[in-house]
Amino acid sequence: DIRMTQSPSSLSASVGDRVTISCRASQSIAGYLNWYQQTPGRAPKLLIYTASTLQGGVPSRFSGSGSGTDFTLTINGLQPEDFATYFCQQSYSIPYSFGRGTNLKIK
Amino acid sequence: QLQLQESGPGLVKPSETLSLTCSVSGGSISTSNYYWGWIRQPPGKGLEWIGNIYHSGSAFYNPALKSRVAMSLDTSRNQFSLKLNSMTAADTAVYHCARAWTTVLSQVVFDFWGQGAMVTVSS
Repeated sequence: DIRMTQSPSSLSASVGDRVTISCRASQSIAGYLNWYQQTPGRAPKLLIYTASTLQGGVPSRFSGSGSGTDFTLTINGLQPEDFATYFCQQSYSIPYSFGRGTNLKIK
Repeated sequence: QLQLQESGPGLVKPSETLSLTCSVSGGSISTSNYYWGWIRQPPGKGLEWIGNIYHSGSAFYNPALKSRVAMSLDTSRNQFSLKLNSMTAADTAVYHCARAWTTVLSQVVFDFWGQGAMVTVSS
């Protein structure tokens, strides 16, 4: 099984900041990597798929990059609604697996 | 806008079978090119993919759970269901249903999720 490791597990930032979240796969997954956002009590939301393709309706301040084993989610100019938990997911092979999540908190 | 809503018992006894239903509105589960899936998150742990079922009814499951899982579709009600037998405390989790589609490179993407249903296994 492919293990997905996210870092950091928690991050404090301010409105307007630029933040990056990393996701590392235990083996190469090419570009088969998705990013999601979740706020407490709400359904997870797809942000980026295939490592760098922005899902429709997602603000352009979100971007993704990487391939192989190392991936990054970047948020440029944090907005109040961006404080949430972010997690990555690989669909390179079954079982599909997720990172443990990064909790982005207001500083 | 597609919406998914999980329903089922919040409490299940050890060794019993969990039955959850996902009601879909704003779209049909019979639409080709989509899968319908279940993902769970135990308290304090990461998300775990349980399985997907295609609009045709064919399903594939996480090998770790495959012996205990069954998924099905009810197209007349626009719902799909999960059954997980031989429940233990380790199955305590928030269970999400979701829609998935595949990219041209066969990557599976979960684009719409339900908010989740908490299931506790306890006697």
